[in-house]
Amino acid sequence: DADVTQTPRNRITKTGKRIMLECSQTKGHDRMYWYRQDPGLGLRLIYYSFDVKDINKGEISDGYSVSRQAQAKFSLSLESAIPNQTALYFCATSDLQGRSDTQYFGPGTRLTVL
Amino acid sequence: QQPVQSPQAVILREGEDAVINCSSSKALYSVHWYRQKHGEAPVFLMILLKGGEQKGHDKISASFNEKKQQSSLYLTASQLSYSGTYFCGTERGDSNYQLIWGAGTKLIIKP
Repeated sequence: DADVTQTPRNRITKTGKRIMLECSQTKGHDRMYWYRQDPGLGLRLIYYSFDVKDINKGEISDGYSVSRQAQAKFSLSLESAIPNQTALYFCATSDLQGRSDTQYFGPGTRLTVL
Repeated sequence: QQPVQSPQAVILREGEDAVINCSSSKALYSVHWYRQKHGEAPVFLMILLKGGEQKGHDKISASFNEKKQQSSLYLTASQLSYSGTYFCGTERGDSNYQLIWGAGTKLIIKP
């Protein structure tokens, strides 16, 4: 079984709808991240969490919210989806080893907002 | 703030060498390299830390010039399996462990 899973893998929704993307991990890592990936722009950080009680905004948090339900679960919500939120979304986890840590990515969720 | 990767794309024949560069305008603590194949998640290759040595991974190695805020990824005797998009993620010295990612370099290896 995959260490980092994301559901759904694909989602098509309409403008104005609220949707939630879910991420679960079995790696036992404390740190979890949500990124979006757009062609030609690389990965951009939306939110990150260093433990259940710690949630931080990334560089592009506007229009998104998150919930860290447990060490293993980190959800991303779009309260009112808009077309420019169409992107590939990745969840990642890491376990701090010294100062810098390796991030492990889930398979991604392809979101289309019509 | 986003690091600049060059080239944007490169096409090689199997067995040829490639160099991918990553430059930042900010002082860096570390540089992370990942590879992403089409339709898949990024996969970790290596981390280079400030004050650290050049690292290697099979025929893929990397260097980090702290003074220039630059890192280079070297792929020697490229194999078909090296195809994909390579991303650098940079961590600033004053950051709270966030990575800022480059836009990626697409590498195509032809037989």
